Amino acid sequence: KAGVTQTPRYLIKTRGQQVTLSCSPISGHRSVSWYQQTPGQGLQFLFEYFSETQRNKGNFPGRFSGRQFSNSRSEMNVSTLELGDSALYLCASSTQNTDTQYFGPGTRLTVL
Amino acid sequence: DAKTTQPPSMDCAEGRAANLPCNHSTISGNEYVYWYRQIHSQGPQYIIHGLKNNETNEMASLIITEDRKSSTLILPHATLRDTAVYYCIVRVGSNTGKLIFGQGTTLQVKP
Repeated sequence: KAGVTQTPRYLIKTRGQQVTLSCSPISGHRSVSWYQQTPGQGLQFLFEYFSETQRNKGNFPGRFSGRQFSNSRSEMNVSTLELGDSALYLCASSTQNTDTQYFGPGTRLTVL
Repeated sequence: DAKTTQPPSMDCAEGRAANLPCNHSTISGNEYVYWYRQIHSQGPQYIIHGLKNNETNEMASLIITEDRKSSTLILPHATLRDTAVYYCIVRVGSNTGKLIFGQGTTLQVKP
């Protein structure tokens, strides 16, 4: 069974732009969670989707948003990019939101 | 804040068992202990999880104390490829997949 895939793998943007990252969960998984990883803050939870509904949200500004489609694929969007948004963005999927999560390889975002 | 405490770093000789400790003294009765590892800049890899009983799979063993306030991840025969950051996580709540990561333990396996 294919693992979690994330696209693109690498992205370079400039301040003020917006970006959309995509996550395709493992087949049959309905829950998708997003995390941000930076050297200073470590791995931090962004939000969690289950059956197209946001079930949980971390402590991030409203510039960070997400959605989930009927096929369980998920996207996250960051608007008005700041230098501090440079990070590895990870998504994880699971069958139910309480089950074991499996992570994708991440998208490395660099904001210049 | 993370509900777990881990040593920041550990060394292990190749071929020997690596024992990684974790304290989770405020764990609730329905909260699971999960272990993941992350090899440099890759996505975290699931290793094992448990609630009360000790668990074993093809990667590792998880020993949870009877009071559930601490646990130990055991890699029985560490290899150089096991060099990674190991995270011990208590999954928060009973109806959420939210994982709160701490700083983890950097395990260096040496030849």
